[in-house]
Amino acid sequence: AQSVTQLDSQVPVFEEAPVELRCNYSSSVSVYLFWYVQYPNQGLQLLLKYLSGSTLVESINGFEAEFNKSQTSFHLRKPSVHISDTAEYFCAVRPSNTGKLIFGQGTTLQVKP
Amino acid sequence: SQTIHQWPATLVQPVGSPLSLECTVEGTSNPNLYWYRQAAGRGLQLLFYSVGIGQISSEVPQNLSASRPQDRQFILSSKKLLLSDSGFYLCAWRAYEEGEQFFGPGTRLTVL
Repeated sequence: AQSVTQLDSQVPVFEEAPVELRCNYSSSVSVYLFWYVQYPNQGLQLLLKYLSGSTLVESINGFEAEFNKSQTSFHLRKPSVHISDTAEYFCAVRPSNTGKLIFGQGTTLQVKP
Repeated sequence: SQTIHQWPATLVQPVGSPLSLECTVEGTSNPNLYWYRQAAGRGLQLLFYSVGIGQISSEVPQNLSASRPQDRQFILSSKKLLLSDSGFYLCAWRAYEEGEQFFGPGTRLTVL
């Protein structure tokens, strides 16, 4: 069975500091990997994805994630966060043999001034 | 471009009352459709998914049911709501050839 673990439930950080949100997965088949962001009382928005090719993927707002197959990880990073990055972040995997997403429990990023 | 709608946005219902939440997708055809529930402080739980009209797969036994009467319409229902049905309900769609799912704005359901 597949699973996704987000190691930190809450990550407090000061504005303009770097941040890393950790995500590890377990799967017996190859996977596609995603990070979603959720602002309060809204749906999930796709932040970035890894389907194939370069293992380092970037979003338009400065986030990046690197697929590490040997460590089964897909950690999300940003070198300098803004107050507006405060949100819930979800890591998700889609095993290659199914159309279903498996989500982690989420990490709340709290950016303080 | 594709868009996904959910309504209502918020709903307060008494225990034992029926429920109907609607999700529609525009700008695509034959999407895979999904219903998730997000309880307070918890992750997303997949409730139902559908690969076509009339084709529904249930992920967990529960007090809810789903239907897909049209290609781009997905409905979540209950005959009698329980307190534990409270939560944030999210609909999502996926084009068959793509990997990611796109989510609707959600419905906040409070059962009193």
